[in-house]
Amino acid sequence: QSALTQPASVSGSPGQSITVSCTGSSTDFGGSDSVSWYQQHPGKAPKLIFSHVGGRPSGLSDRFSGYKSGNTASLTISGLQPEDEADYYCCSYTTTNTVVFGGGTKLTVL
Amino acid sequence: QAQLVQSGPEVKKPGASVKVSCKASGYTFDNYDFMWVRQAPGQGLEWMGWISPNTADTKSAQDFQGRVTMTTDTATNTAYMELRNLRSGDTAVYYCVRGWRLKWFDPWGQGTLVTVSS
Repeated sequence: QSALTQPASVSGSPGQSITVSCTGSSTDFGGSDSVSWYQQHPGKAPKLIFSHVGGRPSGLSDRFSGYKSGNTASLTISGLQPEDEADYYCCSYTTTNTVVFGGGTKLTVL
Repeated sequence: QAQLVQSGPEVKKPGASVKVSCKASGYTFDNYDFMWVRQAPGQGLEWMGWISPNTADTKSAQDFQGRVTMTTDTATNTAYMELRNLRSGDTAVYYCVRGWRLKWFDPWGQGTLVTVSS
């Protein structure tokens, strides 16, 4: 199964907003709530930052928000901070109850 | 607070098997699923499969079918992933992660580095 398509890299300056897209086929998205997003710093395990079920985990900044329409999901990070520099992955359960990740997007905070 | 602690690094020869454990604490074990994900050096996340401790249902990615076995032990709140017939391309960090109805996955274990080398 092919990965969901994400841009390889995005960048932004502190205080700006950026958006990461995540595109797949109709079978890649099992439902309106199928997409979640993960942040991974170098050498660390990934961390859930947004889910369409219940939004963001408790204690996490509201600077992370998600949106999905059709076969495209997106993650927006507002008010960029240096510590946001990391890799970001989208994830979705499919119509056959498998799971697929995006290829990952490297965020650089300039 | 939910936490997953994985077993330590492994070095295996091609053709061997590896079994990674993932001990859960801080929540009701069989109320959530487990997912296994791996990450080869410098690469992205690759889904391997999931298991429900409550029903023992499993589903694995096509690339691993026939080579991977996922199990859980509700007596010790531990999940296991065994990968057989290892090859050099299986060198990666293997993660377990708690899942809720496949809709979100959190927390992640710290990862287990498996190195396959002759």
